[in-house]
Amino acid sequence: DQQVKQNSPSLSVQEGRISILNCDYTNSMFDYFLWYKKYPAEGPTFLISISSIKDKNEDGRFTVFLNKSAKHLSLHIVPSQPGDSAVYFCAASALGNQGGKLIFGQGTELSVKP
Amino acid sequence: DSGVTQTPKHLITATGQRVTLRCSPRSGDLSVYWYQQSLDQGLQFLIQYYNGEERAKGNILERFSAQQFPDLHSELNLSSLELGDSALYFCASSVMAGGLETQYFGPGTRLLVL
Repeated sequence: DQQVKQNSPSLSVQEGRISILNCDYTNSMFDYFLWYKKYPAEGPTFLISISSIKDKNEDGRFTVFLNKSAKHLSLHIVPSQPGDSAVYFCAASALGNQGGKLIFGQGTELSVKP
Repeated sequence: DSGVTQTPKHLITATGQRVTLRCSPRSGDLSVYWYQQSLDQGLQFLIQYYNGEERAKGNILERFSAQQFPDLHSELNLSSLELGDSALYFCASSVMAGGLETQYFGPGTRLLVL
């Protein structure tokens, strides 16, 4: 039973346009959500996070939106750059009662074309 | 560079053998998490240690064990290795800010069991 799902294995976007990566979750106990970026042969790099008490968090070109009623979050990258090409993982945790372990989605491979 | 170090970077061994993976957390971080990334399973939580004590366990096999030492580095021991144990093994350490815990990942150890 996959509690965090990224239904798009890949996404291709033109440089300068917006990239939108989506993530759905099923566990209503999740209260903290994170996005990680991963290059081949490297560890996941933390990008941005959002607490369940918020619906939006912005950091430079990256914005994460959370829709709790739909159990859906998305990562917007504007403008997209070729260096953003990587695999993006959505992760969730239930800090209240399950400790800090992260449940990851399967990842979306983003390709930003010049 | 996340500040989390892992050694070795690559490990090739045979079935039935035992290996030890090492992780040093970021300075000051008390928590260490271990994750396994295999081709078909994505990133899966294995185990968490906090200040030397086991805090949470995921789907970790009985053949696997871990510990965290007084200097806070951690080791993941994998024994009676099988072909299916071939994977990337990541450790992460975490920092708390505003009541929220963010994990920072090391570069990983790529294990190949032949």
